[in-house]
Amino acid sequence: NAGVTQTPKFQVLKTGQSMTLQCAQDMNHNSMYWYRQDPGMGLRLIYYSASEGTTDKGEVPNGYNVSRLNKREFSLRLESAAPSQTSVYFCASKLGGPRDEQFFGPGTRLTVL
Amino acid sequence: AQTVTQSQPEMSVQEAETVTLSCTYDTSESNYYLFWYKQPPSRQMILVIRQEAYKQQNATENRFSVNFQKAAKSFSLKISDSQLGDTAMYFCAFMKHGDYKLSFGAGTTVTVRA
Repeated sequence: NAGVTQTPKFQVLKTGQSMTLQCAQDMNHNSMYWYRQDPGMGLRLIYYSASEGTTDKGEVPNGYNVSRLNKREFSLRLESAAPSQTSVYFCASKLGGPRDEQFFGPGTRLTVL
Repeated sequence: AQTVTQSQPEMSVQEAETVTLSCTYDTSESNYYLFWYKQPPSRQMILVIRQEAYKQQNATENRFSVNFQKAAKSFSLKISDSQLGDTAMYFCAFMKHGDYKLSFGAGTTVTVRA
């Protein structure tokens, strides 16, 4: 099993460009998440999908959109990138129960110039 | 939103010694879950230990143990017999029962010295 995979691993964008971060899991997990990690602030939840067909906003959703394409895949889109979106982005998934462990992908380092 | 506070940005410990990381949280919930995650330089997030609020017994996982004080809303992590591979950033996280969202603290960077 690959676990949670993310593409790309690194990306540099110019202000105003758009891009989609891809995430896939092969563990048959129900819930999927997108976080951003900034220095001194820990991980903050952008969007999550509790189950296939549902998505909800997290703590910092502005400037992002998501799509739960199927049970395996959950993408994050930046429509018009801004320097404030320079960050490391993590995708995570978990089976479903509240005590279940969230499994994280390796992260995408995004720089917006 | 729940607030998770880690008051120690950085800690250093000698190999084989013990280090304790503090975490406090703010919630009005009575049933919830607490987690410690480790992020080594590879950036991969790894679950270290979890605790259910309804359990009075403190969780342990090998060299890692927690001191859960529900009334004080405190959840500290003790790393015993520290090893070089323990060098990482450690995040405390909170999830209320029935929810799907984790709230993370800002993290504590632990450096184990040889």
